Amino acid sequence: DMKVTQMPRYLIKRMGENVLLECGQDMSHETMYWYRQDPGLGLQLIYISYDVDSNSEGDIPKGYRVSRKKREHFSLILDSAKTNQTSVYFCASSPDRVGVFFGKGTRLTVV
Amino acid sequence: GEQVEQLPSILRVQEGSSASINCTYENSASNYFPWYKQEPGENPKLIIDIRSNMERKQTQGLIVLLDKKAKRFSLHITDTQPGDSAMYFCAVTNTGKLTFGDGTVLTVKP
Repeated sequence: DMKVTQMPRYLIKRMGENVLLECGQDMSHETMYWYRQDPGLGLQLIYISYDVDSNSEGDIPKGYRVSRKKREHFSLILDSAKTNQTSVYFCASSPDRVGVFFGKGTRLTVV
Repeated sequence: GEQVEQLPSILRVQEGSSASINCTYENSASNYFPWYKQEPGENPKLIIDIRSNMERKQTQGLIVLLDKKAKRFSLHITDTQPGDSAMYFCAVTNTGKLTFGDGTVLTVKP
């Protein structure tokens, strides 16, 4: 059973704190993604990773950075979190850059 | 980047009737068009997709149509049930970057 695992599922941080969101997949997929979803809206692509240390900006990369040191792990980092980064963050992976499988999401609140 | 317009944003239908959602895109090189269903508090799940070499695809009460000339594709849900109530997203990809529409909230009234 293919699985994308996100940790933590819920997180509350103060403005200015650093935030680390972790994502893992057990399918050896090359491509992984980070999206954010705001209430009632679609998913916006933050970063895409084509493999280890091969990352590319998505549509809204500002305020975020990513790290992929192993194929099965893809981290999203917020240095000095802002209140407008309160959102639900979805990690996803794809074996072929076509079919995309999403994790359960991390609900981040920045206060 | 790619832009995807999805309409309508809200759709209410009677149980047993059909529901249609339409999406348009800009990049004629886009070659894969998935549809996702997202229930409250859950992650988006792929329900049906179509590739650019097809015009129509059908599976389990879902029909997808693709008009490449018009850069338009649509999802049709036949014989809707209350369990079909959810948010639906269309998406478009080429080169692996998946761009989503803003979603349609479908409510099926019993």
